[in-house]
Amino acid sequence: QQKVQQSPESLSVPEGGMASLNCTSSDRNFQYFWWYRQHSGEGPKALMSIFSDGDKKEGRFTAHLNKASLHVSLHIRDSQPSDSALYFCAAIHTGNYKYVFGAGTRLKVIA
Amino acid sequence: EAAVTQSPRNKVAVTGGKVTLSCNQTNNHNNMYWYRQDTGHGLRLIHYSYGAGSTEKGDIPDGYKASRPSQENFSLILELATPSQTSVYFCASGPRGEDTQYFGPGTRLLVL
Repeated sequence: QQKVQQSPESLSVPEGGMASLNCTSSDRNFQYFWWYRQHSGEGPKALMSIFSDGDKKEGRFTAHLNKASLHVSLHIRDSQPSDSALYFCAAIHTGNYKYVFGAGTRLKVIA
Repeated sequence: EAAVTQSPRNKVAVTGGKVTLSCNQTNNHNNMYWYRQDTGHGLRLIHYSYGAGSTEKGDIPDGYKASRPSQENFSLILELATPSQTSVYFCASGPRGEDTQYFGPGTRLLVL
């Protein structure tokens, strides 16, 4: 079983709407998280990290981490067609800093 | 923006043949990584390196070797390619463990 589970597998939202993506780690050694975004035909690019409990906001993107449940979410407000992409959650081991990626959530923003 | 390049971008190989995928980064990052991406599995770590001369096994190293001859270059070697190694391969670099990783554009490998 994958250490990092993402949901949903795919998501469609209207332009201007809110997209919410979820990620859970099943290993308490992995407590740091990054969100990456991958557009078709490109390599993944980092969106934002979250290492502490609570919310972290960067522009239209807000990440929320609950360390007790090892659950992290990403919320995209005012979604744009350019936000259509594959979103990965990556959990990082607090000892050796090894990354483990989830399977991804495919977001489609409908104009 | 950190720059990571990969070559070739596309490769067709025959079963049992040797394949070498190359990666170059110009940002003086210590850490470099090789991943493969398959639908339903996300990105899975094959090998990684903490600096020139070092290579470490990742989560799925079987059938792959890695080489880090310099700070800038990191290669992935498939000595005896198999159809199960058909995938998209990404190289990444990063300054240190918990920092962001910068990915290359990927190499699409088809093993016939």
